[in-house]
Amino acid sequence: NAGVMQNPRHLVRRRGQEARLRCSPMKGHSHVYWYRQLPEEGLKFMVYLQKENIIDESGMPKERFSAEFPKEGPSILRIQQVVRGDSAAYFCASSPPGTTPPYEQYFGPGTRLTVT
Amino acid sequence: GNSVTQMEGPVTLSEEAFLTINCTYTATGYPSLFWYVQYPGEGLQLLLKATKADDKGSNKGFEATYRKETTSFHLEKGSVQVSDSAVYFCALHDSGGYQKVTFGTGTKLQVIP
Repeated sequence: NAGVMQNPRHLVRRRGQEARLRCSPMKGHSHVYWYRQLPEEGLKFMVYLQKENIIDESGMPKERFSAEFPKEGPSILRIQQVVRGDSAAYFCASSPPGTTPPYEQYFGPGTRLTVT
Repeated sequence: GNSVTQMEGPVTLSEEAFLTINCTYTATGYPSLFWYVQYPGEGLQLLLKATKADDKGSNKGFEATYRKETTSFHLEKGSVQVSDSAVYFCALHDSGGYQKVTFGTGTKLQVIP
């Protein structure tokens, strides 16, 4: 059973370009979460999605950032017009459907974005 | 809102030393508590968890007890190894049915031979 997959593992973009980060959840998982980890800092929640729905995007910057989790295919975190401050590690996590806590999350290896 | 406070690192220990990493939390309701570990260049792995007061989570020689009275979930290990060098994150899952996770800032542990 493959774990959470993220690609690319490393991404370099120039200022003003777009970055697309992909996340394939574990098989059978229908909940996806995106987190950002700035250098020497902890993880900050960005967005929580279920298939075709954004449940909570309270951690997403208001501009340039968007996320989706289509019915088919991976979840995408999209950053438009990247700036140097977007350089960070972006982690995706997934969890299975269910109503009984704890809702354990399984993390991918992350995408390290560098903006030059 | 929810918050998690961890002791600042880095923590440097000699092999076989005793480890404690403090973690306290603020939350409404009854959250589940977790410790995650992040090895260099990798994602987070769940180390252990506890879902209610007085529960003890344990794995790979690490332990943590959910203390509601002190709102703490301190991580301990009796004898650390060089391979334990990593960043450790304390986290809580909200109990309100919503699956948002709040992380501490992480504590870097370095174990020297």
